[in-house]
Parts: sequence; structure tokens; C-alpha cells
Amino acid sequence: QVQLQESGPGLVKPSETLVLTCTVSGGSISIYYWAWIRQSPGKGLEWIGNIYYSGSTNYNPSLRSRVTISVDTSKNQFSLKLSSVTAADTAVYYCARGSTIPHDIWGRGTLVTVSS
Amino acid sequence: DIQMTQSPSSLSVSVGDRVTITCRATLRIGTYLSWYQQKPGKAPNLLIYAASTLQSGVPSRFSGSGSGTDFTLTITSLQPEDVATYFCQQSYIVPWTFGQGTKVEIK
Repeated sequence: QVQLQESGPGLVKPSETLVLTCTVSGGSISIYYWAWIRQSPGKGLEWIGNIYYSGSTNYNPSLRSRVTISVDTSKNQFSLKLSSVTAADTAVYYCARGSTIPHDIWGRGTLVTVSS
Repeated sequence: DIQMTQSPSSLSVSVGDRVTITCRATLRIGTYLSWYQQKPGKAPNLLIYAASTLQSGVPSRFSGSGSGTDFTLTITSLQPEDVATYFCQQSYIVPWTFGQGTKVEIK
């Protein structure tokens, strides 16, 4: 059974870069695409972007200038980097899998707080 | 961006009642519409994709319909474990966008 697990710091200082990793277990990262989604009380669910196992990416235009999603097939992981964070980036960050079925498997989510 | 608007924002119903949640898109999206259930402190869980296809393992009391701009999620007989917030999402055009959610409670 495929499982996803987010990891990374729970606290990031303003103006710094948020880095999260999603580890895929129980299956291969190949064939599917992999997404990052966040949820904050003020903005609900926000799709950040996705990456295909080949490395092709799609980003939310509202975040594109600050976001990089990458994949490491050798480690069965994909990562999110979000630069120049502010308090508005405080949210629960989820990683999720997709194919012809969007977002059928999600990680548990990790809370990231932006604060000095 | 395509805006997804759900209604109602919340509803309180009795166990066994029929529940209908609607989702409207600002652009025609064919059937690129999914429904998710989220319980407090948990990740969203996929219920319906392609507007009307039930995800494996989801109870048959859940169903979806619609195409174009107007979509509906129906729970035929609400059970206590269905208390949750429900979200729609379009996956037709990037950025994929979600509705604001509908909170379902037991009366």
C-alpha cells in the first residue's frame, strides 16, 4: 500500500526558504505525478504545483516566482522549496499522488509556521 | 484562475437524511471535477473523481453528478461518520483550484 510522508522543519523564519520532502513508500515514484497542496485557515486548500516522475512541472502562477518542486527517483522522494516566506505562508502542507485520478493518496500533512 | 464556489457553506442534518452539496465553476471544465472529504486534523480523502466515478473503497451512499460548470455531491443517507467538510476541486486548467468547503454536521 502506497504511503506518503512529509518531513521538514515546523518553524521557518520570515524571508527564509521553506524546504519540505515527501517520501513515497510501498510503491514506485515513477509513472505518477506528485503534488504539493497547502491549507491555511484564511485561504482554504491551495494547490501549489505538481511534478511528473520525468521532472516536468506545473506551478500555481501565484507562487511560481518562489516555488521549486523537484523529484529524486533514486530515493523515491520529491521536494518543495518555497523562498522568501512570510506569515502568509503559514499552513499545513500536504503532498499527494495523482494519475488519471487526481490526488488519490495524501500524506498526513505537516504544519509549517513562519515566525521569527 | 477558475473559481469554484460551493453551496451551502455549512448544513446541519439528521442521520439518515439526504445531503446535496453543489459546486459551480466559473468556466466550463467538462468532468474534470473531484470531491474530497476532510475530517478534523486529517488529510482530505478522495471520494469522487471525473465528476461521477466513485473512488475505490468509498461507500455507495456517496455519488456525484454534473458536467460543464455545475456539479453535485449527494449523500443518500447521512451516517454519523460522514460528519466532515467536503471540498470540490477542478483539474481542468492549472492552477487546479478548490471550493471553499461545505461543513456537514449532525442535527
